[in-house]
Amino acid sequence: QITLKESGPTLVKPTQTLTMTCTFSGFSLSTSGVGVAWIRQPPGKALEWLALIYWDDDRRYSPSLKSRLTITKDTSKNQVVLTMTNMDPVDTATYYCAHSHSSSHQSFGYWGQGTLVTVSS
Amino acid sequence: QSVLTQPPSVSAAPGQKVTISCSGSSSNIGNNYVSWYQQPPGTAPKLLIYDNNKRPSGIPDRFSGSKSGTSATLGITGLQTGDEADYYCGTWDSSLSVGHVVFGGGTKLTVL
Repeated sequence: QITLKESGPTLVKPTQTLTMTCTFSGFSLSTSGVGVAWIRQPPGKALEWLALIYWDDDRRYSPSLKSRLTITKDTSKNQVVLTMTNMDPVDTATYYCAHSHSSSHQSFGYWGQGTLVTVSS
Repeated sequence: QSVLTQPPSVSAAPGQKVTISCSGSSSNIGNNYVSWYQQPPGTAPKLLIYDNNKRPSGIPDRFSGSKSGTSATLGITGLQTGDEADYYCGTWDSSLSVGHVVFGGGTKLTVL
């Protein structure tokens, strides 16, 4: 059974760096084809893909946010960490992590429950 | 402005059929697989369709997907009140030199 859960601050101040952790179970990020992505959703708005890290450490980022994002994995802890620098109120959103596999071509079959992050002074 | 274009809303009566379109370009839908997600209010998205037309285990065959050229379509038959949700399409985009995932702007389904 695959599960994912996001953790991190619920409130950050403008200009601060956000660090979100995705802790998962039921799969290994050292298995060929496996990936974990971060996706966010501002209140009342659409999904926005942020980043994806694969089992082989290949990393992909949203072109519009690439300069602010870093995604890393800790295979031994079954965790993926996303950092986003220079947070702004427009970054207020629910942040999700999700499981992906290359065999299903970047679809996301399992999602965490999401964490609402508010950016405010 | 989303890279993939979806109608903001669709509606139909219980028992009826509805389709939701997703329009893109050759750099995304035209050369990549499409997935569809269902998101009831206050919940995380759920995968409905992957690889254009495949259903994950547990998804009823009332849900179907298709792709033609640079557009994709999600079909839902035998509408139920429980189908009321936001629906999103997603795919890989090969533009800007580096591949990345893109989503549509979402479509709100109302079952009248």
